[in-house]
Amino acid sequence: DVQLVESGGGLVQPGGSLKLSCVASGFTFSDSAMHWVRQASGKGLEWVGRIRGKANSYATAYAASVKGRFTISRDDSKNTAYLQMNSLKTDDTAVYYCTTLLDYWGQGALVTVSS
Amino acid sequence: SYELTQPPSVSVSPGQTARITCSADALPKEYAYWYQQKPGQAPVLMIYKDIERPSGIPERFSGSTSGTTVTLTISGVQAEDEADYYCQSADSSGTYRVFGGGTKLTVL
Repeated sequence: DVQLVESGGGLVQPGGSLKLSCVASGFTFSDSAMHWVRQASGKGLEWVGRIRGKANSYATAYAASVKGRFTISRDDSKNTAYLQMNSLKTDDTAVYYCTTLLDYWGQGALVTVSS
Repeated sequence: SYELTQPPSVSVSPGQTARITCSADALPKEYAYWYQQKPGQAPVLMIYKDIERPSGIPERFSGSTSGTTVTLTISGVQAEDEADYYCQSADSSGTYRVFGGGTKLTVL
């Protein structure tokens, strides 16, 4: 069975940092672009960014709202994708999903930015 | 920035046909994808590459495209189809993905 399991969510103060992990299983992770998508409570889906695989030089791209603050990385030896979030703002409070944007989505990790 | 526009809500009675549109603000249009999301759950892919249906998705779900607008059609709507639906596509470079604002489908 395919699984994407996020971890690392929690409560952080404005200006702080947090790193989410996403462990994948059941599919060829190294060949897959991995995306992060977030959803604030009661709101719609927002694309955060993505990282491509080795064949595409691990290229990254980010939404304007997070560019310069968030960094996506991956470790194919661990079938894991990461989302490093710095300079967090209250507006970053959301459930963060890792996903291939196709069939596979994680269950989501809640990030709350509050003092 | 590239934007996708969906109606906030659509309401239909059971057995009727629901159509949810998604309009892009510019050409060219990249492929569109449709997701269904029920409360407290992760999104589920319903249509990919404008018109393709993943295995396991009921045949009553179909996608179509015309110009810069894509449409998700649900024929013979069932109560279990009540959910939020999101379209997703990319800008002309194919780099930056974007979601529509979402449409809440209510089955009366």
